[in-house]
Amino acid sequence: DAKTTQPPSMDCAEGRAANLPCNHSTISGNEYVYWYRQIHSQGPQYIIHGLKNNETNEMASLIITEDRKSSTLILPHATLRDTAVYYCIVRVAWGAQKLVFGQGTRLTINP
Amino acid sequence: GAVVSQHPSRVICKSGTSVKIECRSLDFQATTMFWYRQFPKKSLMLMATSNEGSKATYEQGVEKDKFLINHASLTLSTLTVTSAHPEDSSFYICSLRVNQETQYFGPGTRLLVL
Repeated sequence: DAKTTQPPSMDCAEGRAANLPCNHSTISGNEYVYWYRQIHSQGPQYIIHGLKNNETNEMASLIITEDRKSSTLILPHATLRDTAVYYCIVRVAWGAQKLVFGQGTRLTINP
Repeated sequence: GAVVSQHPSRVICKSGTSVKIECRSLDFQATTMFWYRQFPKKSLMLMATSNEGSKATYEQGVEKDKFLINHASLTLSTLTVTSAHPEDSSFYICSLRVNQETQYFGPGTRLLVL
């Protein structure tokens, strides 16, 4: 599975949009981009995933660049409960099922 | 609602004893479950893939005789930490594959070995 690079930490004001970047320059054509988050002392929570089109659900939006070498997770109106470590993972959906976690981005939402 | 449950949520044991952690799928039949370990301020590390009705597949460096995995039914996988030592103290998390694209994680079990 391709490796990803994320900033170790970010801050965002409550109520503003939080934009979390992820670089995955070695991504293959059949690899998806997944985002999970882990709130302190809890198991990871699935957020969203995509292949090449932008995706949106009730939690977030995922913007993938045209060359697929990077993506951005957008939390449109961040709340204090969004404070967590966010993991960007790329993997083949239909092949090996295991998720390999990097170090993620520690997002802190400030009041 | 929750898809995956773990029991216990916290456990403290003496060094040398064995501890069993249960991972239950609440809404899905899971032929494959995964076990992760997470040390403080570190990322999750995959330990093994649990396969229903067959032997688990362990990641490199994980001792299969120390971390016994049993996946006897489509809704239950257990991880037994045998002869626990203080360095086994960690946060153990299971996950299950809901479909080809999505995995859901349990709430985790915090193990402290004294």
